[in-house]
Amino acid sequence: DAGVIQSPRHEVTEMGQEVTLRCKPISGHDYLFWYRQTMMRGLELLIYFNNNVPIDDSGMPEDRFSAKMPNASFSTLKIQPSEPRDSAVYFCASSKTTGGHQPQHFGDGTRLSIL
Amino acid sequence: SQQGEEDPQALSIQEGENATMNCSYKTSINNLQWYRQNSGRGLVHLILIRSNEREKHSGRLRVTLDTSKKSSSLLITASRAADTASYFCATDASGANSKLTFGKGITLSVRP
Repeated sequence: DAGVIQSPRHEVTEMGQEVTLRCKPISGHDYLFWYRQTMMRGLELLIYFNNNVPIDDSGMPEDRFSAKMPNASFSTLKIQPSEPRDSAVYFCASSKTTGGHQPQHFGDGTRLSIL
Repeated sequence: SQQGEEDPQALSIQEGENATMNCSYKTSINNLQWYRQNSGRGLVHLILIRSNEREKHSGRLRVTLDTSKKSSSLLITASRAADTASYFCATDASGANSKLTFGKGITLSVRP
């Protein structure tokens, strides 16, 4: 079975540009999570969805960040405008019903560099 | 602050030795999970232990949970070079509505 698929794997762009990260969760999983990983702060939960509905976005750092899940097989995380401090690895993960009680399956991440 | 904090931050051992990693947390939990992350890859789930369990095994992995001390340990027996990775504990706090909180991880190096 295909795992969680993220694209692009790497993104380098200049500050001020819009960045869109994409995620395809595992089919049949109804929870989707977006995380950010940095050396300083570790792995931080940004937002998660249940059945395509955002449940908790308290980890989204600023209004420059937005996430959508238009259907069960696709989600985007957008940063507009981007800043150098947004440089990090962004992970998408999915899990079956009752997300906290089930393992989360992670994609291989998008390594984002904002110059 | 992080719910789960691993100890030590880094561990270097010889192939064939056992590796023990510890995790402490602050609040009541429903379960605790351990994940592995290879360089440049996403996290991979290793094992989940529920709050009413004390010990769990999976292959060369043994996890213990002591809810009175709010701590867990991950033991990897007969380590291999391929076990070189970062290891994270993640807690599902009671009432946390499906969120996991991850520690900052332990870097394990297994020397051939």
